[in-house]
Amino acid sequence: QVQLVQSGAEVKKPGSSVKVSCKASGGTFSSYTINWVRQAPGQGLEWMGRIIPIFGTANYAQKFQGRVTITADESTSTAYMDLSSLRSEDTAVYYCAIQGGANIDYWGQGTLVTVSS
Amino acid sequence: QLVLTQSPSASASLGASVRLTCTLSSGHSSYAIAWHQQQPEKGPRYLMKLNSDGSHSKGDGIPDRFSGSSSGAERYLTISSLQSEDEADYYCQTWGTGIQVFGGGTKLTVL
Repeated sequence: QVQLVQSGAEVKKPGSSVKVSCKASGGTFSSYTINWVRQAPGQGLEWMGRIIPIFGTANYAQKFQGRVTITADESTSTAYMDLSSLRSEDTAVYYCAIQGGANIDYWGQGTLVTVSS
Repeated sequence: QLVLTQSPSASASLGASVRLTCTLSSGHSSYAIAWHQQQPEKGPRYLMKLNSDGSHSKGDGIPDRFSGSSSGAERYLTISSLQSEDEADYYCQTWGTGIQVFGGGTKLTVL
């Protein structure tokens, strides 16, 4: 069974960047697509983008284009999500989630990112 | 545009059944979806993939009380013999070329 373990909570200043990691175990990392999804306080789930490690290609939701970078390191089975130019509205729990096929079927535990001056 | 629509809230009594609905936008009625559950203060958990013909495949350890069905552009999640731990937010999710889309979620209250 696949397990996803994310890095710990972060507190960031407006205008800075944050990088969240997601380490996978129990499966074949290169065969997955890894998504990043965020959830602002009291809100629903919002897809940010995804990467296919075996190809190294990422694509992003239009809303985050230019501000988010998703990468993956096959040697450590770890994916990363880097979000820049942070603002208070980026305060949210960030989840990594794996697609074994077409849909998301495993979730990380979430990482709280707080943006505050 | 690929959009999923869910009612914001639903409620049902302990031990009863409830059916939650997720509606695909016009032109997308053949799309499969996935259902995810998010209990209070927890991360989401994958429940099942649901195809347009109503066939579905569940995630690891999902009880038989959870089932899915489809009709046209509507996708349903039925939970029978409701238990207190079923009180949660339920999200549907689908996918297009290079994108994933989530519905707004339904908050289920177990009375």
